[in-house]
Amino acid sequence: GQQLNQSPQSMFIQEGEDVSMNCTSSSIFNTWLWYKQDPGEGPVLLIALYKAGELTSNGRLTAQFGITRKDSFLNISASIPSDVGIYFCAGQTHGSARQLTFGSGTQLTVLP
Amino acid sequence: GAVVSQHPSRVICKSGTSVKIECRSLDFQATTMFWYRQFPKQSLMLMATSNEGSKATYEQGVEKDKFLINHASLTLSTLTVTSAHPEDSSFYICSATHRGRGSLGAEAFFGQGTRLTVV
Repeated sequence: GQQLNQSPQSMFIQEGEDVSMNCTSSSIFNTWLWYKQDPGEGPVLLIALYKAGELTSNGRLTAQFGITRKDSFLNISASIPSDVGIYFCAGQTHGSARQLTFGSGTQLTVLP
Repeated sequence: GAVVSQHPSRVICKSGTSVKIECRSLDFQATTMFWYRQFPKQSLMLMATSNEGSKATYEQGVEKDKFLINHASLTLSTLTVTSAHPEDSSFYICSATHRGRGSLGAEAFFGQGTRLTVV
């Protein structure tokens, strides 16, 4: 089945620094989604990408849908303490009954 | 944004009993709902896909007789863990896809999750 490789697995950064994480796939996705999950909570949608090459921003977050349709990255600028959490990428293909394939997650820790 | 409410958020039950978890889309109609299981520090693992008015589709390795899913309306899906055992203890999360939202209605919105502990 499809697999998503998400990296890095974890990150420790200083408050104010920029962060970048990415996902790569062995096969093509038609939609890429980025979620954030806080401990004991469900994932919250951050950004949705629908077209290859698309670059979308949501506040301090920017994500891009790779041209090859096999990758996506998420950047967080000027990190703040509330950015702490686990970030997941998720991909979807046509005809997959809208099922999402999730990356393994990136645990982000922001140090004051 | 679309809101998905999951209840209960935490439940402790005795081994051998059954537990029902509800997933409701509060302000939209969900054509499809999904149920996931998540182990500590791991990603979400899809258990089953639920379409309103039809039988759920279970992923390989998920026992349909143990994890009963009912999707009686466009706003409610339930997951019942039958004859629960300690190894069923986990974090269960539902998600719902908004009919017509997004390019392909792809955006999935998640419930808050349910922490199940079987003792």
